[in-house]
Amino acid sequence: DGGITQSPKYLFRKEGQNVTLSCEQNLNHDAMYWYRQDPGQGLRLIYYSQIVNDFQKGDIAEGYSVSREKKESFPLTVTSAQKNPTAFYLCASSSAIRRGAGTGELFFGEGSRLTVL
Amino acid sequence: AQKITQTQPGMFVQEKEAVTLDCTYDTSDPSYGLFWYKQPSSGEMIFLIYQGSYDQQNATEGRYSLNFQKARKSANLVISASQLGDSAMYFCAMREAYNTDKLIFGTGTRLQVFP
Repeated sequence: DGGITQSPKYLFRKEGQNVTLSCEQNLNHDAMYWYRQDPGQGLRLIYYSQIVNDFQKGDIAEGYSVSREKKESFPLTVTSAQKNPTAFYLCASSSAIRRGAGTGELFFGEGSRLTVL
Repeated sequence: AQKITQTQPGMFVQEKEAVTLDCTYDTSDPSYGLFWYKQPSSGEMIFLIYQGSYDQQNATEGRYSLNFQKARKSANLVISASQLGDSAMYFCAMREAYNTDKLIFGTGTRLQVFP
């Protein structure tokens, strides 16, 4: 079945360590996104990519890095520079968005919960 | 700047009753899209319904309908005949046509359905 796979589902990290969250999609979507969710808050955009080898910062990119070497993969690295990394991370994808056309709904993975010890 | 506001942190509804979850938005873009997502305790975000700013009729998808009042900039989700499985977080989101890269989310409403 087509979908988005995030791994690991749960991850524990010591302070000062970098960690990488995996996101793979087989929906043949051009665009991929990373969101962060904190308790009592909505989703905030970290990074997004509309095409292979290109990505843009979202609203809270500081302390994070991404790569988009393949269409189906968009890994997120949480670096030691991220001051408060404990959160729920959601990866999403969508088909290419043309201006004003289509619904462009996002399809989400099941999320990765990162806890810093 | 675009903004989504959900003023109800939590809502309760009895099984088989209807419930309305509020969402207001702010944008200067005449062309935009509004979305509702459901997030059960498992964490996955499930797309429910979409409304385009130029759509003449309110969107409906099964038991979900969107009460779209453009002049008031509101896009309330109506769930009819609530079921126990409807208990979840519900998020309203918006995408502007001129900023098609981003989907902006509200803070969500936790819905609890009781027997």
